[in-house]
Amino acid sequence: SQELEQSPQSLIVQEGKNLTINCTSSKTLYGLYWYKQKYGEGLIFLMMLQKGGEEKSHEKITAKLDEKKQQSSLHITASQPSHAGIYLCGAVPISSGSARQLTFGSGTQLTVLP
Amino acid sequence: DAGVTQSPTHLIKTRGQHVTLRCSPISGHKSVSWYQQVLGQGPQFIFQYYEKEERGRGNFPDRFSARQFPNYSSELNVNALLLGDSALYLCASDSGTGGTLSNEKLFFGSGTQLSVL
Repeated sequence: SQELEQSPQSLIVQEGKNLTINCTSSKTLYGLYWYKQKYGEGLIFLMMLQKGGEEKSHEKITAKLDEKKQQSSLHITASQPSHAGIYLCGAVPISSGSARQLTFGSGTQLTVLP
Repeated sequence: DAGVTQSPTHLIKTRGQHVTLRCSPISGHKSVSWYQQVLGQGPQFIFQYYEKEERGRGNFPDRFSARQFPNYSSELNVNALLLGDSALYLCASDSGTGGTLSNEKLFFGSGTQLSVL
């Protein structure tokens, strides 16, 4: 089965600092989703990457998928308290190619200190 | 437009009871997926339905079942509840045509928090 490892598990940064969250797969990814979650709430879609070497940005958040499609990073520039939450990566298994059957990492808890 | 809506938002049950969770997808979305998220972990895939047919099932016991209705809404049923079933249950919908991924965005509801005592 496909496993996703996220690092770090938790991150505390001062407002204005940059940060990076990593997501590593044990197998080649068909595609990868990044979501943000507030504690006990639903997941908010951030980005979806499918092609090796792909990079997408939205506001101050940039996500990249490496050429081998086994590792992704999420970078936040000039962090703000509104960025605080749990960041989850979800992999599309290459066996099914179905985006609805995602395997998620354990999440990275981000705290941004004002 | 309304997003994915789930009901109820919170539920408390006792061991051995049965529970039904409901989900309405975004208008126009025909695919619904269910996930279980235990505290401190990422969501785990339970079921996916498209056009009322089961298209995928995760590694969950037969106590878990689901169905999708003609209006594409869905129910998740859990029988003989165990303490370990306590979790946030998430429903997701997408606009895909039921086949393999082609850039679909998967949208999640706010979830139903189930506590089993």
